[in-house]
Amino acid sequence: NAGVTQTPKFRILKIGQSMTLQCTQDMNHNYMYWYRQDPGMGLKLIYYSVGAGITDKGEVPNGYNVSRSTTEDFPLRLELAAPSQTSVYFCASSYSSQGSFGNTIYFGEGSWLTVV
Amino acid sequence: GENVEQHPSTLSVQEGDSAVIKCTYSDSASNYFPWYKQELGKGPQLIIDIRSNVGEKKDQRIAVTLNKTAKHFSLHITETQPEDSAVYFCAASGGASKIIFGSGTRLSIRP
Repeated sequence: NAGVTQTPKFRILKIGQSMTLQCTQDMNHNYMYWYRQDPGMGLKLIYYSVGAGITDKGEVPNGYNVSRSTTEDFPLRLELAAPSQTSVYFCASSYSSQGSFGNTIYFGEGSWLTVV
Repeated sequence: GENVEQHPSTLSVQEGDSAVIKCTYSDSASNYFPWYKQELGKGPQLIIDIRSNVGEKKDQRIAVTLNKTAKHFSLHITETQPEDSAVYFCAASGGASKIIFGSGTRLSIRP
């Protein structure tokens, strides 16, 4: 059972470099999300998408971009990486809105990114 | 907007004892309260959730209670086992709005 798959698992970037975190889900979910989790902190929403071709900003979108060309894929792009972007990134998906009762959000296993 | 506070940040209990994690929320319109468990090196997984028209929900050794008046909700784990060691997140949302997560509690079970 694949669920939500994100790559790479680990990456070290130099300041100013760019990269894309890949995310794909095989559950035919409409909603997809990117979160970041800083050490000892909770999950902060970066961007989300309610369907192919539709994206919107979350709580902490600065320094990131997303696209949603298909239902399955939701890549997160970091432009001009900064040390403040050192974090663990989680991609997630759900069938319907986050706020809906009984609507489980499925998370990927995380991508550890260090910017030096 | 919604703000969720979670306490304690770390919790250590003896195996077999109970563990309680508490959360408060600020938006009285919130009506959905899920709890997630995150094991080391993994993404969070939903373990139990509750809706605002219910005061308590139980699933085997875990239970969640909700006090709407006081705007707080709690996770109770009884007869703790080593596999309960993890980080637990509470969350709150209202209707179609986005979920806001608490800052997490690292639970350790002592043998």
